[in-house]
Amino acid sequence: NAGVTQTPKFQVLKTGQSMTLQCAQDMNHEYMSWYRQDPGMGLRLIHYSVGAGITDQGEVPNGYNVSRSTTEDFPLRLLSAAPSQTSVYFCATREQGAGNQPQHFGDGTRLSIL
Amino acid sequence: AQSVTQLGSHVSVSEGALVLLRCNYSSSVPPYLFWYVQYPNQGLQLLLKYTTGATLVKGINGFEAEFKKSETSFHLTKPSAHMSDAAEYFCAVSLTTSGTYKYIFGTGTRLKVLA
Repeated sequence: NAGVTQTPKFQVLKTGQSMTLQCAQDMNHEYMSWYRQDPGMGLRLIHYSVGAGITDQGEVPNGYNVSRSTTEDFPLRLLSAAPSQTSVYFCATREQGAGNQPQHFGDGTRLSIL
Repeated sequence: AQSVTQLGSHVSVSEGALVLLRCNYSSSVPPYLFWYVQYPNQGLQLLLKYTTGATLVKGINGFEAEFKKSETSFHLTKPSAHMSDAAEYFCAVSLTTSGTYKYIFGTGTRLKVLA
């Protein structure tokens, strides 16, 4: 049982390049989310989804796009990378409508924008 | 606005000493509360959670936390620190807005354990 799988684990991009961070889960959770983690700032919510076909913005959505075509996958797209997007990105899932349930995290993608 | 405050971005304790990591929240209603631990180059793992019922919650690795509504606090403790406890710890609250629960994380406390 893999849980939440993020790929790639590391990536270096040049300013202006695009890329997609992948997130896949095998727990059949409806709720999926993307966070970025920066030193001293904790985790900040980028986008989230409450089910296939439904996405919404979080606290810091600018520069990122998401889509949710299946329950299992929730990719995060950077259309034109900027140095300010250098960060560690985490995907997390939980049961939808269950605020008392914990989130399950992937191991993260470490992204550097030059 | 709802928020989570973790006092002390870095905490150092000696091996065998008490660990106390502080977390306060601001919310008009009691939220669900969580503590997570993050080891280097890994994602966050759940340590413990408070939802309802007993206010003293026990978690993994000997950690526990007490929900104090009057103080809006959820401090994490462990009686005796071990070298393997060195990690970053995050407090989080789960709050509902417009029917969807969202998590708010504190900025984290990095625990260093001294031999």
